[in-house]
Amino acid sequence: KNQVEQSPQSLIILEGKNCTLQCNYTVSPFSNLRWYKQDTGRGPVSLTIMTFSENTKSNGRYTATLDADTKQSSLHITASQLSDSASYICVVSVHAGGTSYGKLTFGQGTILTVHP
Amino acid sequence: DTGVSQDPRHKITKRGQNVTFRCDPISEHNRLYWYRQTLGQGPEFLTYFQNEAQLEKSRLLSDRFSAERPKGSFSTLEIQRTEQGDSAMYLCASSSSGNRYEQYFGPGTRLTVT
Repeated sequence: KNQVEQSPQSLIILEGKNCTLQCNYTVSPFSNLRWYKQDTGRGPVSLTIMTFSENTKSNGRYTATLDADTKQSSLHITASQLSDSASYICVVSVHAGGTSYGKLTFGQGTILTVHP
Repeated sequence: DTGVSQDPRHKITKRGQNVTFRCDPISEHNRLYWYRQTLGQGPEFLTYFQNEAQLEKSRLLSDRFSAERPKGSFSTLEIQRTEQGDSAMYLCASSSSGNRYEQYFGPGTRLTVT
């Protein structure tokens, strides 16, 4: 069964500190891996997208890494801000051709809380 | 605002009633997706349209659920005879076929069935 597992489930850090979120997946055939940020009561917003050939991708203070061999990804947040408080969801897409929907398998998310 | 919009943002209904949600995708996007998200979980795929054609449906989409995209633009998701287990956030996303990787999500419709 295709699965995406994230750890930790929740994390509390102080403003200005760094943190790293983990994602392990068993999805196959792999197409790409995405990290989304979801504020409470809002839709997810894409942070990064990586194909199997990409090892790292940055978006401002967010840096995602991907090891397609071990099927692991991480999201590193640098110099955290209060506005980083949100759920961070790892999403893996299966390879699809033509008009097929490249099914997205979502992790359950890591809830990050940044305290002043 | 040219993002994905959903209406209503919140809906409270009594068990057994029918509800309909609307999604307006980004105008140039020909692909539209519906997801359901329950508290503490990631979104789960419900169905997917390319233009007006509904190409895939999840087994989660029971006979009480129906989705349409009549003119290949906005889409509606109807739930008939709602049950308490239908309470969830219903998310819509859209993408262009030129960039199938990127899906842009709307703010969601929060459904509460009492």
